[in-house]
Amino acid sequence: SQTIHQWPATLVQPVGSPLSLECTVEGTSNPNLYWYRQAAGRGLQLLFYSVGIGQISSEVPQNLSASRPQDRQFILSSKKLLLSDSGFYLCAWARRRGEQYFGPGTRLTVT
Amino acid sequence: GENVEQHPSTLSVQEGDSAVIKCTYSDSASNYFPWYKQELGKGPQLIIDIRSNVGEKKDQRIAVTLNKTAKHFSLHITETQPEDSAVYFCAASKGGNTPLVFGKGTRLSVIA
Repeated sequence: SQTIHQWPATLVQPVGSPLSLECTVEGTSNPNLYWYRQAAGRGLQLLFYSVGIGQISSEVPQNLSASRPQDRQFILSSKKLLLSDSGFYLCAWARRRGEQYFGPGTRLTVT
Repeated sequence: GENVEQHPSTLSVQEGDSAVIKCTYSDSASNYFPWYKQELGKGPQLIIDIRSNVGEKKDQRIAVTLNKTAKHFSLHITETQPEDSAVYFCAASKGGNTPLVFGKGTRLSVIA
């Protein structure tokens, strides 16, 4: 069966510090991968998606970036965090048929 | 591009009653319609989905219906239980590598 991991589960970072969130998927190959952000009590905002190694599509211009160094690894980064970057970050993977599965999420608080 | 509208934004029902959440989509090329349940502090969980070649799909107490002509689809939960309380999201896509487009969510509260 397939499993998706995200870490860390929670993170508190000061404004201006760097960020690195990691997501890995087990039990499948060549998945589509996604990063979403969810503000408190709000909907799902798609940030980046990737259909293959090194292929990244950005949906929202911001100070975040994403990379896919391996087939089942997706990383979300920032060089300098802003207060507005606080939120719940969700990684997801999807089959080509469309079924999409989310990870457990990372709660980021920028102070 | 695709636009998904979801209603209502909040819904309260008595335990044992039915709950219905409705979504409309704009792109007639969309052919895949999943529903997600998100509990507090957790990632959304895929609970049921339907493709455009099917009009209705059931899984125990939950069912989804699709009206391609009207471009709307609905989630039906029967015999609601307190553990059904969560935020529910609908989504639509054209499949393949096209990302899902999500509705804004419905907060369902089941009152015991």
